Amino acid sequence: DTAVSQTPKYLVTQMGNDKSIKCEQNLGHDTMYWYKQDSKKFLKIMFSYNNKELIINETVPNRFSPKSPDKAHLNLHINSLELGDSAVYFCASSQDYGETDTQYFGPGTRLTVL
Amino acid sequence: AQSVTQLGSHVSVSEGALVLLRCNYSSSVPPYLFWYVQYPNQGLQLLLKYTTGATLVKGINGFEAEFKKSETSFHLTKPSAHMSDAAEYFCAARVAGGTSYGKLTFGQGTILTVHP
Repeated sequence: DTAVSQTPKYLVTQMGNDKSIKCEQNLGHDTMYWYKQDSKKFLKIMFSYNNKELIINETVPNRFSPKSPDKAHLNLHINSLELGDSAVYFCASSQDYGETDTQYFGPGTRLTVL
Repeated sequence: AQSVTQLGSHVSVSEGALVLLRCNYSSSVPPYLFWYVQYPNQGLQLLLKYTTGATLVKGINGFEAEFKKSETSFHLTKPSAHMSDAAEYFCAARVAGGTSYGKLTFGQGTILTVHP
């Protein structure tokens, strides 16, 4: 069983479109995250949710809106896609957001904006 | 602000040789430190982590890392490289003190190539 899964794996779309990426974890964790990995492989956190509540919201354009319908899911909706949004987006989860909690990552979604 | 620096974006070794991947952090408070590995087209997998206690940490696949506070370093080593170790490795840090809310700060990554 996949611990943290994301769909789709690849997403190619035109500028200006709206798209969503879905994430699900079956680990029973309380905290979930979205990270963006840019073309230089630099990983940066975007959002974090704990028990469906937003706890980290980095400086991200408000075109990005995370939604957590329940503890096991954290989806990322992106409005009005721009070329600079092209990246690999990773979802992760951890038992809690404690300092020593291990984060488990999904396989990533490669978003290409044309 | 906390930052993580990995020296060398590419490291190439021969099979059987020592692997050394360097990581330095800057933080006013010693953070908790992690090494992750990313195989092609896959997500990140935790290799090992340092929280408290013994400064030499052993991880999976024969890797280990030593936390050196005086050098603000957390270098990753493996005595003998295997072809299957070829991947990208990320060092990451999390601020201690309860204010990070789980936020990990990553280094730029080091691609390890292993030659036969």
